[in-house]
Amino acid sequence: GEDVEQSLFLSVREGDSSVINCTYTDSSSTYLYWYKQEPGAGLQLLTYIFSNMDMKQDQRLTVLLNKKDKHLSLRIADTQTGDSAIYFCAERSNTDKLIFGTGTRLQVFP
Amino acid sequence: KAGVTQTPRYLIKTRGQQVTLSCSPISGHRSVSWYQQTPGQGLQFLFEYFSETQRNKGNFPGRFSGRQFSNSRSEMNVSTLELGDSALYLCASSMDRSTGELFFGEGSRLTVL
Repeated sequence: GEDVEQSLFLSVREGDSSVINCTYTDSSSTYLYWYKQEPGAGLQLLTYIFSNMDMKQDQRLTVLLNKKDKHLSLRIADTQTGDSAIYFCAERSNTDKLIFGTGTRLQVFP
Repeated sequence: KAGVTQTPRYLIKTRGQQVTLSCSPISGHRSVSWYQQTPGQGLQFLFEYFSETQRNKGNFPGRFSGRQFSNSRSEMNVSTLELGDSALYLCASSMDRSTGELFFGEGSRLTVL
Protein backbone atom coordinates (compact mmCIF):
# COMPACT_ATOMS: atom_id res chain seq x y z
CA GLY A 1 0.00 0.00 0.00
CA GLU A 2 0.92 3.64 -0.07
CA ASP A 3 2.10 5.08 3.22
CA VAL A 4 4.50 7.86 4.16
CA GLU A 5 5.66 8.34 7.73
CA GLN A 6 7.45 11.14 9.50
CA SER A 7 8.24 12.00 13.09
CA LEU A 8 5.88 14.65 14.44
CA PHE A 9 8.21 17.15 16.05
CA LEU A 10 11.75 18.45 15.81
CA SER A 11 13.25 21.21 17.90
CA VAL A 12 16.63 22.80 17.09
CA ARG A 13 18.66 25.78 18.10
CA GLU A 14 19.14 28.63 15.64
CA GLY A 15 22.31 28.12 13.62
CA ASP A 16 22.31 24.35 14.00
CA SER A 17 21.45 21.89 11.26
CA SER A 18 18.03 20.26 11.14
CA VAL A 19 17.43 16.81 9.75
CA ILE A 20 13.88 15.73 9.00
CA ASN A 21 13.33 12.09 8.15
CA CYS A 22 10.69 10.29 6.15
CA THR A 23 10.01 6.68 5.20
CA TYR A 24 7.76 5.57 2.38
CA THR A 25 6.46 2.23 1.18
CA ASP A 26 5.91 2.50 -2.58
CA SER A 27 9.11 1.24 -4.18
CA SER A 28 7.84 2.34 -7.60
CA SER A 29 7.77 6.02 -6.60
CA THR A 30 9.40 8.10 -9.30
CA TYR A 31 9.65 11.42 -7.51
CA LEU A 32 9.86 12.38 -3.86
CA TYR A 33 9.16 15.87 -2.59
CA TRP A 34 9.58 18.13 0.38
CA TYR A 35 6.96 20.78 1.05
CA LYS A 36 6.84 23.48 3.73
CA GLN A 37 3.69 24.82 5.35
CA GLU A 38 3.75 27.98 7.41
CA PRO A 39 0.87 28.83 9.76
CA GLY A 40 -2.30 29.76 7.92
CA ALA A 41 -0.80 29.08 4.53
CA GLY A 42 -0.85 26.43 1.86
CA LEU A 43 2.06 24.14 1.06
CA GLN A 44 5.13 25.45 -0.68
CA LEU A 45 7.36 23.12 -2.70
CA LEU A 46 10.92 23.26 -1.37
CA THR A 47 12.63 20.66 -3.49
CA TYR A 48 12.19 17.29 -5.13
CA ILE A 49 14.41 14.41 -6.12
CA PHE A 50 14.25 11.77 -8.83
CA SER A 51 14.17 8.25 -7.50
CA ASN A 52 17.37 7.39 -9.38
CA MET A 53 19.33 10.06 -7.50
CA ASP A 54 20.97 9.67 -4.10
CA MET A 55 21.41 13.29 -3.21
CA LYS A 56 20.35 16.75 -4.25
CA GLN A 57 21.66 20.02 -2.84
CA ASP A 58 19.98 23.37 -3.18
CA GLN A 59 21.54 26.19 -1.16
CA ARG A 60 20.89 25.37 2.53
CA LEU A 61 18.84 22.29 1.67
CA THR A 62 20.26 18.79 1.14
CA VAL A 63 18.03 15.87 0.26
CA LEU A 64 19.28 12.33 0.74
CA LEU A 65 17.49 9.34 -0.70
CA ASN A 66 18.15 5.75 0.30
CA LYS A 67 16.00 3.85 -2.13
CA LYS A 68 16.91 0.46 -0.70
CA ASP A 69 15.58 1.43 2.72
CA LYS A 70 12.88 3.72 1.27
CA HIS A 71 14.19 6.55 3.43
CA LEU A 72 14.25 10.22 2.54
CA SER A 73 15.76 13.03 4.57
CA LEU A 74 15.90 16.79 4.38
CA ARG A 75 18.81 18.59 5.96
CA ILE A 76 18.55 22.33 6.55
CA ALA A 77 21.91 23.94 7.23
CA ASP A 78 22.20 26.98 9.50
CA THR A 79 18.56 26.74 10.58
CA GLN A 80 16.86 30.10 11.13
CA THR A 81 13.74 31.06 13.07
CA GLY A 82 12.05 31.67 9.73
CA ASP A 83 12.44 27.96 8.99
CA SER A 84 9.94 27.14 11.73
CA ALA A 85 7.06 25.44 9.96
CA ILE A 86 5.59 22.03 9.20
CA TYR A 87 7.56 20.02 6.66
CA PHE A 88 5.86 17.36 4.57
CA CYS A 89 7.50 14.71 2.49
CA ALA A 90 5.51 13.22 -0.35
CA GLU A 91 5.90 10.42 -2.82
CA ARG A 92 4.43 10.22 -6.27
CA SER A 93 2.61 6.94 -6.37
CA ASN A 94 2.32 4.63 -9.34
CA THR A 95 -1.17 6.06 -9.85
CA ASP A 96 0.35 9.55 -10.14
CA LYS A 97 -1.20 10.75 -6.89
CA LEU A 98 0.98 12.57 -4.42
CA ILE A 99 0.89 10.78 -1.06
CA PHE A 100 1.88 13.04 1.80
CA GLY A 101 3.39 12.20 5.14
CA THR A 102 1.88 13.39 8.38
CA GLY A 103 4.24 16.35 8.55
CA THR A 104 7.06 17.25 10.95
CA ARG A 105 6.69 20.41 12.96
CA LEU A 106 10.07 22.11 13.13
CA GLN A 107 10.58 24.58 15.95
CA VAL A 108 13.68 26.75 15.92
CA PHE A 109 14.58 28.51 19.14
CA PRO A 110 17.17 31.25 19.65
CA LYS B 1 2.18 35.64 -12.11
CA ALA B 2 -0.77 35.18 -9.76
CA GLY B 3 -0.74 32.10 -7.57
CA VAL B 4 -3.50 29.60 -6.90
CA THR B 5 -6.56 31.38 -5.56
CA GLN B 6 -9.12 29.69 -3.37
CA THR B 7 -12.44 31.10 -2.24
CA PRO B 8 -13.87 31.45 0.28
CA ARG B 9 -11.00 31.40 2.76
CA TYR B 10 -13.21 30.65 5.73
CA LEU B 11 -16.74 29.40 6.07
CA ILE B 12 -19.02 27.96 8.69
CA LYS B 13 -21.82 25.55 7.88
CA THR B 14 -24.15 23.32 9.84
CA ARG B 15 -24.65 19.59 9.57
CA GLY B 16 -26.72 18.56 6.59
CA GLN B 17 -25.91 21.62 4.51
CA GLN B 18 -23.84 21.55 1.38
CA VAL B 19 -20.84 23.66 0.40
CA THR B 20 -19.05 24.64 -2.80
CA LEU B 21 -15.42 25.68 -2.82
CA SER B 22 -13.68 27.34 -5.73
CA CYS B 23 -10.13 27.22 -7.03
CA SER B 24 -8.48 29.26 -9.76
CA PRO B 25 -5.19 27.70 -10.84
CA ILE B 26 -2.07 29.46 -11.98
CA SER B 27 -2.48 30.73 -15.51
CA GLY B 28 -1.46 28.02 -17.96
CA HIS B 29 -1.85 25.17 -15.48
CA ARG B 30 -4.33 22.59 -16.65
CA SER B 31 -4.28 20.17 -13.75
CA VAL B 32 -6.07 20.89 -10.48
CA SER B 33 -5.92 18.61 -7.43
CA TRP B 34 -7.84 18.85 -4.19
CA TYR B 35 -6.69 17.73 -0.75
CA GLN B 36 -8.35 17.62 2.64
CA GLN B 37 -6.11 18.50 5.59
CA THR B 38 -7.10 17.62 9.15
CA PRO B 39 -4.99 17.34 12.31
CA GLY B 40 -5.79 13.66 12.69
CA GLN B 41 -5.53 12.42 9.10
CA GLY B 42 -3.02 14.81 7.61
CA LEU B 43 -3.31 15.53 3.89
CA GLN B 44 -5.70 13.25 2.08
CA PHE B 45 -6.05 13.28 -1.69
CA LEU B 46 -9.58 13.96 -2.92
CA PHE B 47 -9.37 14.14 -6.71
CA GLU B 48 -7.52 15.55 -9.68
CA TYR B 49 -8.93 17.17 -12.78
CA PHE B 50 -7.21 17.75 -16.10
CA SER B 51 -8.86 19.34 -19.11
CA GLU B 52 -12.29 19.11 -17.50
CA THR B 53 -11.95 15.37 -16.83
CA GLN B 54 -11.45 13.67 -13.50
CA ARG B 55 -8.12 11.93 -13.86
CA ASN B 56 -7.64 10.51 -10.39
CA LYS B 57 -9.75 9.97 -7.32
CA GLY B 58 -9.07 9.34 -3.65
CA ASN B 59 -11.03 7.27 -1.16
CA PHE B 60 -13.76 9.70 -0.19
CA PRO B 61 -17.53 9.06 -0.18
CA GLY B 62 -19.74 10.19 -3.02
CA ARG B 63 -20.77 13.27 -1.01
CA PHE B 64 -17.50 14.78 -2.22
CA SER B 65 -17.54 15.78 -5.85
CA GLY B 66 -15.78 18.17 -8.12
CA ARG B 67 -15.60 19.55 -11.59
CA GLN B 68 -13.35 21.60 -13.79
CA PHE B 69 -14.34 24.24 -16.28
CA SER B 70 -12.89 25.01 -19.69
CA ASN B 71 -10.78 27.82 -18.21
CA SER B 72 -9.24 25.25 -15.78
CA ARG B 73 -10.99 26.74 -12.76
CA SER B 74 -12.28 24.03 -10.48
CA GLU B 75 -14.96 23.64 -7.87
CA MET B 76 -15.50 20.99 -5.27
CA ASN B 77 -18.78 20.29 -3.55
CA VAL B 78 -19.56 18.51 -0.32
CA SER B 79 -23.18 17.59 0.28
CA THR B 80 -24.91 16.57 3.50
CA LEU B 81 -22.11 17.95 5.62
CA GLU B 82 -20.94 16.04 8.69
CA LEU B 83 -18.96 17.29 11.66
CA GLY B 84 -15.97 15.28 10.44
CA ASP B 85 -15.85 17.30 7.23
CA SER B 86 -14.41 20.23 9.16
CA ALA B 87 -10.99 20.69 7.61
CA LEU B 88 -8.72 22.84 5.53
CA TYR B 89 -9.39 22.11 1.86
CA LEU B 90 -6.37 22.74 -0.30
CA CYS B 91 -6.30 23.11 -4.02
CA ALA B 92 -3.12 22.66 -6.04
CA SER B 93 -2.39 23.25 -9.69
CA SER B 94 0.32 21.95 -11.94
CA MET B 95 1.39 22.38 -15.52
CA ASP B 96 1.83 18.72 -16.27
CA ARG B 97 2.76 15.44 -14.71
CA SER B 98 6.39 15.24 -15.76
CA THR B 99 7.74 16.40 -12.41
CA GLY B 100 4.53 16.40 -10.42
CA GLU B 101 5.25 19.81 -8.91
CA LEU B 102 2.14 21.07 -7.21
CA PHE B 103 1.51 24.72 -6.43
CA PHE B 104 -0.89 25.12 -3.55
CA GLY B 105 -3.42 27.76 -2.66
CA GLU B 106 -3.88 28.96 0.91
CA GLY B 107 -6.90 26.77 1.39
CA SER B 108 -10.52 27.10 2.40
CA ARG B 109 -11.12 26.40 6.06
CA LEU B 110 -14.50 24.78 6.57
CA THR B 111 -16.05 24.47 10.00
CA VAL B 112 -19.15 22.30 10.35
CA LEU B 113 -21.26 22.89 13.46
